[in-house]
Amino acid sequence: ILNVEQSPQSLHVQEGDSTNFTCSFPSSNFYALHWYRWETAKSPEALFVMTLNGDEKKKGRISATLNTKEGYSYLYIKGSQPEDSATYLCATTYNNNDMRFGAGTRLTVKP
Amino acid sequence: DTGVSQDPRHKITKRGQNVTFRCDPISEHNRLYWYRQTLGQGPEFLTYFQNEAQLEKSRLLSDRFSAERPKGSFSTLEIQRTEQGDSAMYLCASSPQTSPRFGELFFGEGSRLTVL
Repeated sequence: ILNVEQSPQSLHVQEGDSTNFTCSFPSSNFYALHWYRWETAKSPEALFVMTLNGDEKKKGRISATLNTKEGYSYLYIKGSQPEDSATYLCATTYNNNDMRFGAGTRLTVKP
Repeated sequence: DTGVSQDPRHKITKRGQNVTFRCDPISEHNRLYWYRQTLGQGPEFLTYFQNEAQLEKSRLLSDRFSAERPKGSFSTLEIQRTEQGDSAMYLCASSPQTSPRFGELFFGEGSRLTVL
C-alpha cells in the first residue's frame, strides 16, 4: 500500500507569516512528486512537479524541495497572503499513470 | 475556456436512485481519470482511460459504478442504486499521453454528490 502523508492537516497563520508543510511518501519506485493548490469551488491547479533528489522549485512566494532518498517534500510560502488560503495537495506518481494523493493541508491566512 | 469541464456541479439525490456525471476533457488529451474525494481525504483514484479504453479500475469502483468513454472524448461516470456513502466530490482530470511534466493532471471543478 502506497501512502502519501501530509502534515499538518490544517494551518491558520496571520498575513505576512511564512509557513511550510510536509509531504512524506514511500521512496521505493518513486517517479515524480506533484504539489497542487485547490481553492474552494475551483479545480485543483498544479504548482510544481519534481523528479530528482534535491530538486527545488520556486514560483513567486511559493517554493518546494524534494528528498527522494528519505521520501519527503516541503512546500514553503513566504509572507502569506489571504489569497494563499487553499488546500495544498501533495501527490506522487510511481509510473506515468498512477497518481496518489495525500489528504492535503488546509491553509487559512487571516488578514 | 478550454479546460476540463464537469456536469452537473452539484447533485442531490435520494438513496437508491441512479446518477450520471459527465466530463469533457481538454480536447487534445487522450488520458482521462476519475477520482473521488470525501471530507478530510485526498482524491482517491477510481478509474483511468486512454482514448476509449478503460485501462485501470480501483477496487473502490464497486459493481454499482460504471464509467465509459465511448468515442475517446467525453466520459460518463454512472452510480446505480446510490448509497449515502457515495456522497463525495467526483473529480475528473485529463492529461496528454506524453506529458512533459511526468503525469501532471488537469482537473475539472468536480461534481459534488449528496445522497439523502
